[in-house]
Amino acid sequence: AQTVTQSQPEMSVQEAETVTLSCTYDTSESDYYLFWYKQPPSRQMILVIRQEAYKQQNATENRFSVNFQKAAKSFSLKISDSQLGDAAMYFCAYRRPYYGGSQGNLIFGKGTKLSVKP
Amino acid sequence: KAGVTQTPRYLIKTRGQQVTLSCSPISGHRSVSWYQQTPGQGLQFLFEYFSETQRNKGNFPGRFSGRQFSNSRSEMNVSTLELGDSALYLCASSLVDLVQETQYFGPGTRLLVL
Repeated sequence: AQTVTQSQPEMSVQEAETVTLSCTYDTSESDYYLFWYKQPPSRQMILVIRQEAYKQQNATENRFSVNFQKAAKSFSLKISDSQLGDAAMYFCAYRRPYYGGSQGNLIFGKGTKLSVKP
Repeated sequence: KAGVTQTPRYLIKTRGQQVTLSCSPISGHRSVSWYQQTPGQGLQFLFEYFSETQRNKGNFPGRFSGRQFSNSRSEMNVSTLELGDSALYLCASSLVDLVQETQYFGPGTRLLVL
């Protein structure tokens, strides 16, 4: 079974600085998707960024980028120029594709609580 | 496009009662998944519906059930509520083609069982 591990329960960053959140996963699959979701105090789960395993290029969305190391099964999230609004729980998630009748549900890590200091 | 909507947002029930939660997916999305979030267990997958059929199910007891309607709206039902069912229940929808495989979440329904 696939598992997702986030080893940092809490992280803190100074406003305007850069922070990296870690995520590792375990799978025997070669094709899959990885995601970072953000959950602010409102509890709304918001997609931050996604990465297809077959793509070697790391995904980037504005101030958010990932470092995807497929062989190491590592998927870290880098937040540049941190803003107060970035304070939230961040969840790393793994998902198999739908084709072939495979289960396509998200498997989440336990989350990392990010605090941003002004 | 409007996002995923969930109703009600908050619920208080007592042990032994049953509850029904509703989820309306993003227009055009055909898959709806349900997740339970608790401080102890984190985010756990309940089930997924696609074209009115349960396609995928997590490891939850039979007290948890769901269904999907022809307009892709989904409901989940929990019968004989237990204290441990207190949680945030999140619904997510996805387009389900081979390109767009991202799940978009609703705001959740917070259930408190007393």
